[in-house]
Amino acid sequence: DVKVTQSSRYLVKRTGEKVFLECVQDMDHENMFWYRQDPGLGLRLIYFSYDVKMKEKGDIPEGYSVSREKKERFSLILESASTNQTSMYLCASSLWTSGTGGETQYFGPGTRLLVL
Amino acid sequence: QQPVQSPQAVILREGEDAVINCSSSKALYSVHWYRQKHGEAPVFLMILLKGGEQKGHEKISASFNEKKQQSSLYLTASQLSYSGTYFCALEAGANNLFFGTGTRLTVIP
Repeated sequence: DVKVTQSSRYLVKRTGEKVFLECVQDMDHENMFWYRQDPGLGLRLIYFSYDVKMKEKGDIPEGYSVSREKKERFSLILESASTNQTSMYLCASSLWTSGTGGETQYFGPGTRLLVL
Repeated sequence: QQPVQSPQAVILREGEDAVINCSSSKALYSVHWYRQKHGEAPVFLMILLKGGEQKGHEKISASFNEKKQQSSLYLTASQLSYSGTYFCALEAGANNLFFGTGTRLTVIP
């Protein structure tokens, strides 16, 4: 069974703080993703990574950065947290395909972040 | 780029059927369907690939019209356990998924 874990289920931070969200997967997946989920907006992609030290911007990268130093770990960083970053953050991983598509994404349980 | 889902919400009695639609303005490699129960992570249901291949589920099926860039999810003889929010996710290449806004399905006894 694929397992994707996230470091915290709930987090409360103050405006301006630097926030680290960690994600670890145990299935040797090449791809890892960070999404945020807000009511009525579905899941929106923040950043993704195909390989170690590699990152690509998603739809809403502003205010975020990522780090992937090891294949199994993908970190999301909020450099200076703001109230509009209060959200549910979901990490996912999948196998890489050569562009033919069809690989399932496996999600972690999510981190609910509240920025005061 | 975000796919459009309809309806936004639906309430069913146990045993009734439902259809959830998903459409896109982009050419697609594949369509994925996920279900998320309250407070939990999204869970994969099925993938429909270009060319018609379908991987799925017993009482949940789906169609993928490549020409119209649309997909529909069919839930037959709904059970209480079907309740949750259903997301379609469209793969337009490069292993990325673009998720729809979701359809909240509630099954009541």
